[in-house]
Amino acid sequence: GAVVSQHPSRVICKSGTSVKIECRSLDFQATTMFWYRQFPKQSLMLMATSNEGSKATYEQGVEKDKFLINHASLTLSTLTVTSAHPEDSSFYICSATRRLAGVGDTQYFGPGTRLTVL
Amino acid sequence: EDQVTQSPEALRLQEGESSSLNCSYTVSGLRGLFWYRQDPGKGPEFLFTLYSAGEEKEKERLKATLTKKESFLHITAPKPEDSATYLCAVLSEKLVFGKGTKLTVNP
Repeated sequence: GAVVSQHPSRVICKSGTSVKIECRSLDFQATTMFWYRQFPKQSLMLMATSNEGSKATYEQGVEKDKFLINHASLTLSTLTVTSAHPEDSSFYICSATRRLAGVGDTQYFGPGTRLTVL
Repeated sequence: EDQVTQSPEALRLQEGESSSLNCSYTVSGLRGLFWYRQDPGKGPEFLFTLYSAGEEKEKERLKATLTKKESFLHITAPKPEDSATYLCAVLSEKLVFGKGTKLTVNP
């Protein structure tokens, strides 16, 4: 099956530093990638939609200057949390859209990145 | 606004006790309905995609069905390793998730 990887899987950083999270589709080209965050015992909250070669579309309430998204290629998207603060601590998950001709779109998720800001 | 509602929020079953999880949705222009399994501290694991009403898909003890208003995830003779949170999501312009059903299967 399709595989999406995320790196790092876990990161601890000091308040005020920036953290970059990578999301890669390993065996397919993703037409679109999405970034989510998930708080304990809650569902996934969409942060932004990332299309290769164009600016990301952010959901209402998500600061685009704080959560920088770069979609460098059809297999790689990065999320940079700038000047991280403790309230940014969360589980960040990416997904990649795989388009199957004649079938439709399916979303595959990465394993997630646990960010802890001290 | 697209909405996805899953029920029940939590479900406890005895091993071998079959049941169903519900996912009700309202969406304009459904491009797909997805079921995922999520274990604590991990990303969602893809289970099924359903594209049109009447479609059914099966995988081991799981069977997903779709109507124009809802989807069911049937679990037949569950085992303790089926314990997880099951997420339903619908795709129109974007992917919208339900809050999930936490399934616990006791041995």
